[in-house]
Amino acid sequence: GEDVEQSLFLSVREGDSSVINCTYTDSSSTYLYWYKQEPGAGLQLLTYIFSNMDMKQDQRLTVLLNKKDKHLSLRIADTQTGDSAIYFCAESMVGFQKLVFGTGTRLLVSP
Amino acid sequence: DSGVTQTPKHLITATGQRVTLRCSPRSGDLSVYWYQQSLDQGLQFLIQYYNGEERAKGNILERFSAQQFPDLHSELNLSSLELGDSALYFCASSVAQGATGELFFGEGSRLTVL
Repeated sequence: GEDVEQSLFLSVREGDSSVINCTYTDSSSTYLYWYKQEPGAGLQLLTYIFSNMDMKQDQRLTVLLNKKDKHLSLRIADTQTGDSAIYFCAESMVGFQKLVFGTGTRLLVSP
Repeated sequence: DSGVTQTPKHLITATGQRVTLRCSPRSGDLSVYWYQQSLDQGLQFLIQYYNGEERAKGNILERFSAQQFPDLHSELNLSSLELGDSALYFCASSVAQGATGELFFGEGSRLTVL
């Protein structure tokens, strides 16, 4: 079955690192994604990782994938107030017919 | 700007009514997806169309229907509206079945049912 879970809320100070966690249940996932939703806006893709990778780094973003535990994390280095948003992880299966999204983690960055 | 356009941005209506939400995908994208975002259920996949044909179906109620037209725009029809249908409805588009499966989201249509 498909089920993607995230913690609901994370608060950090500006300049600290943020780590947002996600667990998923479907081992046949092909790609795993992190999307960002700012207030009043749609979702925007931040980064993705193919299921045969363990890590992917993209500037301030680092994605770690633990396939054994079905655990995905997003680390944001040097978090800025502009990073305050809701972050969704999502998984897709072969064919990319749809993405299954997690519940979203609201990140609040305080000055 | 994702290139996906949704109208209307806001809609307020009464229970029992019917509304139509419209989506224009990014130029060249053949797939259109509809998602419902509510506070209690998160982001739920409703339905996907590819080049005019239904490709995948999610948790879409029988009171809801959608279609994709020859010009690739899509409409989501919601009928016999209930209070619980109040939500943000997102449309997303993608290339056929791209290497990464990236979806491009519109800004959403916020539906309020009173």
